[in-house]
Amino acid sequence: EDQVTQSPEALRLQEGESSSLNCSYTVSGLRGLFWYRQDPGKGPEFLFTLYSAGEEKEKERLKATLTKKESFLHITAPKPEDSATYLCAVQAGYNFNKFYFGSGTKLNVKP
Amino acid sequence: GAGVSQSPRYKVAKRGQDVALRCDPISGHVSLFWYQQALGQGPEFLTYFQNEAQLDKSGLPSDRFFAERPEGSVSTLKIQRTQQEDSAVYLCASSLSGTFTGELFFGEGSRLTVL
Repeated sequence: EDQVTQSPEALRLQEGESSSLNCSYTVSGLRGLFWYRQDPGKGPEFLFTLYSAGEEKEKERLKATLTKKESFLHITAPKPEDSATYLCAVQAGYNFNKFYFGSGTKLNVKP
Repeated sequence: GAGVSQSPRYKVAKRGQDVALRCDPISGHVSLFWYQQALGQGPEFLTYFQNEAQLDKSGLPSDRFFAERPEGSVSTLKIQRTQQEDSAVYLCASSLSGTFTGELFFGEGSRLTVL
């Protein structure tokens, strides 16, 4: 069964304290792995798409990386405005319109 | 429009009532998705449209759930005889084309509470 697991469930950081969020997956035929940010009461907002192991994408303080079994979202010198829930999703197999989301990591960055 | 618009934002229904949730996608977006998000969980796929065609409804949890997009733009998700387990946020997302880059544009969701 296809699964996406995110850890930790919650993470509290001080402003400027870098860390990483993990997304591990067990799917057949990965087509793409996606990172989204979700603020309270809002819909998810797209961040990155990764297609193959070794690929990296960067945006401001965020960098996403992909291996054959997991993805990391690295947050460098976070600011309070980075506080949100970060979701990863995978697209796999032949059902390319169905995205499987993890439960997310809730990040809280204290000033 | 500027983004995906959903209405109502909040809906309280008594158990057994029917509800209809509306999604107005970004103009010109071919693909439209409905997801269900329970508290503290990630979104779960319900159904997918390409233009007016419903190509995948494998995620609809029961035959009480029905979705349509008759003219290939606005979509409605209808839930008949609501149950308490239907309480969740229902998210609509759209995408420009039928090829999937992973970039879905989500609305703010409709929060359904069934009493």
